[in-house]
Amino acid sequence: EADIYQTPRYLVIGTGKKITLECSQTMGHDKMYWYQQDPGMELHLIHYSYGVNSTEKGDLSSESTVSRIRTEHFPLTLESARPSHTSQYLCASSEFYGYTFGSGTRLTVV
Amino acid sequence: AQTVTQSQPEMSVQEAETVTLSCTYDTSENNYYLFWYKQPPSRQMILVIRQEAYKQQNATENRFSVNFQKAAKSFSLKISDSQLGDTAMYFCALKSNFGNEKLTFGTGTRLTIIP
Repeated sequence: EADIYQTPRYLVIGTGKKITLECSQTMGHDKMYWYQQDPGMELHLIHYSYGVNSTEKGDLSSESTVSRIRTEHFPLTLESARPSHTSQYLCASSEFYGYTFGSGTRLTVV
Repeated sequence: AQTVTQSQPEMSVQEAETVTLSCTYDTSENNYYLFWYKQPPSRQMILVIRQEAYKQQNATENRFSVNFQKAAKSFSLKISDSQLGDTAMYFCALKSNFGNEKLTFGTGTRLTIIP
């Protein structure tokens, strides 16, 4: 059973809408990550956090933003969704030995 | 920069047979972790097996084992007695033990187990 939770599981939304993808973990991990998975299944790091009040941009440029006010919570926000944001978004947290992933949010912007 | 290469986009094998998925990587670090993750259709990423770079012994988890060749920077996954539930995308990944400790993924291998 997953200890990292993402909601919603699926989201279809219109262009220009603001959306927030939720990610919470119960493991007390300091490091958390957002990956974007394109239709070809490649995964790209878009944001990461070392802990509370720490956020950094990843390898792939993204118009999304993140926040880390609490250890367990790492939401991702798109201020104005566009069709190019259509993708699967995976949240993860890590300890030294590895990562735990959430179930992902499949976002479709129409 | 770290890179991970999976040269087999798709593979298929008969149920109960053995299959090997290939992975090569590049890193300038000496201390790192390697992983194989499984992603079934529309489901979350699941850790299959983990290898610490400083350990020479190949990791084994039930039907899953790796062939870790550090000098060659190769990390293949062998699945023995394959089962229908093994059908999934398989990703090889590398984690640095420094900095942001991000996972660098390969492009994946889509494995289909044929009944």
